[in-house]
Amino acid sequence: DQQVKQNSPSLSVQEGRISILNCDYTNSMFDYFLWYKKYPAEGPTFLISISSIKDKNEDGRFTVFLNKSAKHLSLHIVPSQPGDSAVYFCAASALNQGAQKLVFGQGTRLTINP
Amino acid sequence: SQTIHQWPATLVQPVGSPLSLECTVEGTSNPNLYWYRQAAGRGLQLLFYSVGIGQISSEVPQNLSASRPQDRQFILSSKKLLLSDSGFYLCAHTSGGAVDTQYFGPGTRLTVL
Repeated sequence: DQQVKQNSPSLSVQEGRISILNCDYTNSMFDYFLWYKKYPAEGPTFLISISSIKDKNEDGRFTVFLNKSAKHLSLHIVPSQPGDSAVYFCAASALNQGAQKLVFGQGTRLTINP
Repeated sequence: SQTIHQWPATLVQPVGSPLSLECTVEGTSNPNLYWYRQAAGRGLQLLFYSVGIGQISSEVPQNLSASRPQDRQFILSSKKLLLSDSGFYLCAHTSGGAVDTQYFGPGTRLTVL
């Protein structure tokens, strides 16, 4: 049972354009959502998060949108830069027995073409 | 600032051998600690988490175990490795709370031959 899904395994975008990465979830108990960026052989790096009480959070070139009714979130990167090429994971969080437990999607490999 | 360390960075072990991976956190007290595994071409799967010394919760039945002997130390172990244990192992921490961000260490690449 895959509670968090990233249906696009890869995405290719031209430098300077907008990158949109999508994520769907099934569990309505999730109350916090995060996006991580990962390079090969490194740990994921936190990018941006959003609480379930909001529908948008912006940080520089990165904006996350949350549509609770559709159980969908997206990450917008604008303008896209070559250094943004990496695998992006969305994660959803629910508090359980005092610990925040993250459920990750499978990741989307983003390639920014010069 | 908080820093998370993992070692070794890479490890090649024969099937049936024991395993010990270590994770330590600096710059925080009483963190929640997590072990994840990323298999090839897959997302991150939560293996274990701990909210305090000596407290371990297991997410999936498997060949691995975890221990937390000190507040900021988290150890992943196995008595006998299987081929399927190969993967990229990641340790993460939060400072606790209902809304918090997990920060990850650099990871350990384990290859079981």
